[in-house]
Formats: sequence, structure tokens, C-alpha cells
Amino acid sequence: DVKVTQSSRYLVKRTGEKVFLECVQDMDHENMFWYRQDPGLGLRLIYFSYDVKMKEKGDIPEGYSVSREKKERFSLILESASTNQTSMYLCASNDIAGVSYEQYFGPGTRLTVT
Amino acid sequence: RKEVEQDPGPFNVPEGATVAFNCTYSNSASQSFFWYRQDCRKEPKLLMSVYSSGNEDGRFTAQLNRASQYISLLIRDSKLSDSATYLCVVNINSNSGYALNFGKGTSLLVTP
Repeated sequence: DVKVTQSSRYLVKRTGEKVFLECVQDMDHENMFWYRQDPGLGLRLIYFSYDVKMKEKGDIPEGYSVSREKKERFSLILESASTNQTSMYLCASNDIAGVSYEQYFGPGTRLTVT
Repeated sequence: RKEVEQDPGPFNVPEGATVAFNCTYSNSASQSFFWYRQDCRKEPKLLMSVYSSGNEDGRFTAQLNRASQYISLLIRDSKLSDSATYLCVVNINSNSGYALNFGKGTSLLVTP
């Protein structure tokens, strides 16, 4: 069974803080993704990575960066948190070998920036 | 770049009813299609893939119309436990990775 875990379910940070959100998957998937989900806006892709040390911008990369030093771990970094980054953050992974594109999601991190 | 459109609903239906959701996508080169289900305050989970010939899984039937670029989901004999948000999902053609485009979701509430 695929398992994607995220470091925190709930997080409260102050404006200007540097925030790290961690995601780990245990299925040796090549691809990993970070989304944010907001009411009325749905899931929006922030960044994704198709290999270690590789990354590609999604729809809304501004204000975020990512790091993938190991295959199983994909980190999302908010360089200087702002209140408009209050959101639900979801990590996902998938495997190119099956060619099914199905993505497996972590439970999400609800981040509040005050 | 919102390329997947869904009626947000909510759809309020009584138990036992049949309900259908539609979704349109703009990228004619898309090759993979899915319906995901998301319960309140939970992560999305795959409900079913959508194949060209249409496919059925119990009470759920998915259909794809490539010519009109729309996908449908039919739920028969609705159960209370079907209450959730249903996300229409289409792959993004990219040289790298297997990113997906998610619709904003259609909310379903099944009532007793």
C-alpha cells in the first residue's frame, strides 16, 4: 500500500518566517508534487519533481521553493511566509513505470500564517 | 491555466437517486482521465480511471467523449456515504513528469 506522509497536519507560523513542509513517500516513486488547495480555487500545482535534484514550476511557484535531495523526500519551502499563503498544502507522488498517472496524496498540512 | 471545468454544485440528492456529473477539458492531447473523490478535510483519493470505451465499477460508471472533450461520472443508487467532492482530473502533457490538472470539484450531498 502506497504511503505518503507529511510532517505536520497543522502548522501556525508568523509572517516573515521561513517555513519547511516535508513530504515522504515509501513507494520509490519518481515523481513528487506539491499543491495548495483553497476554497473555490481547487487544487493548484506549486512545484513538481521528476527526479532527485530536478524540479519544475507548476502554476503558482511564486513565494515557494522546493528541494529534493533524496528520492523519497520532497520539501516545500516558504522563504518568507505571508498571510496569503495560509492554505491546505498537499503532497503527492506517482510512478512513471505504470503509465497510469494516478497520484497518491498525503493527508495534507493546514498552514496558518498570522 | 485552468483547463478542467466542472459544475461546483452542490448536488443535493435523496438516497437511492441516480446523479451524473460532467466535466470538460480543453487540451485535446490529454490522454489520461480520472475521477477522484475528496471527503471533507481529507486528501483526494482515486475513485476510478476513465477509459475510452467507458468503464463501470459497481454503482459508478465513467464515460469519455474525446470528440467533445468531456468526461462524465454516473452514480446509481446513491448512498449517504457517497457524500463528498468529486474531482475531474486530466493529465498535463509535459516533457517531464506526469502532472495532472484537477477540476475544482463537484460537491455531492446525499440525504436520507
